[in-house]
Amino acid sequence: DADVTQTPRNRITKTGKRIMLECSQTKGHDRMYWYRQDPGLGLRLIYYSFDVKDINKGEISDGYSVSRQAQAKFSLSLESAIPNQTALYFCATSDSTRDFHGYTFGSGTRLTVV
Amino acid sequence: AQSVSQHNHHVILSEAASLELGCNYSYGGTVNLFWYVQYPGQHLQLLLKYFSGDPLVKGIKGFEAEFIKSKFSFNLRKPSVQWSDTAEYFCAVIRTGGFKTIFGAGTRLFVKA
Repeated sequence: DADVTQTPRNRITKTGKRIMLECSQTKGHDRMYWYRQDPGLGLRLIYYSFDVKDINKGEISDGYSVSRQAQAKFSLSLESAIPNQTALYFCATSDSTRDFHGYTFGSGTRLTVV
Repeated sequence: AQSVSQHNHHVILSEAASLELGCNYSYGGTVNLFWYVQYPGQHLQLLLKYFSGDPLVKGIKGFEAEFIKSKFSFNLRKPSVQWSDTAEYFCAVIRTGGFKTIFGAGTRLFVKA
């Protein structure tokens, strides 16, 4: 099994619909992140969480919300999807108890809003 | 604010050619630097990282990168690319002791067989 699992892998949804992207990890890491990848823009941070009770906005949080249900689970919601939220979404984890050595990424969710 | 600039958005090479991808960052303090690779249809994987010490770091699959502090650069190199190196490459920086990684826009490499 993958260390960081994202579901669904692909999703097409209509404008105005609510959608949730889920992320779970078996790394035992305390920190989890949601990034959005757009061509030519790289990865941009949407939200990050340092533990279950610590959730923070990233650089592009408008239109998104998150929930850290447990240390291993971090969900991203689009309350009312719009076409410019069409992108590839990645969940990532890291371990604050050790020196930072980079993220572990999930396989991504490709979201299309029509 | 921190930023990362990758100069080449698309690079096309023939097999066995040498590769150098440019990366510059803007931050005056101590940083940790990374290169990630994303193969087609896959997630990002860590290629190599620099924390301290020898500015020439070696990663997986024959890649290396050199940190030049005076130039705020961390360029990725490989002496001889293979078709399987076709991927998108991301440079990333994090302030030492910080918690937010800043990614560059990525460079798409296509290696012709």
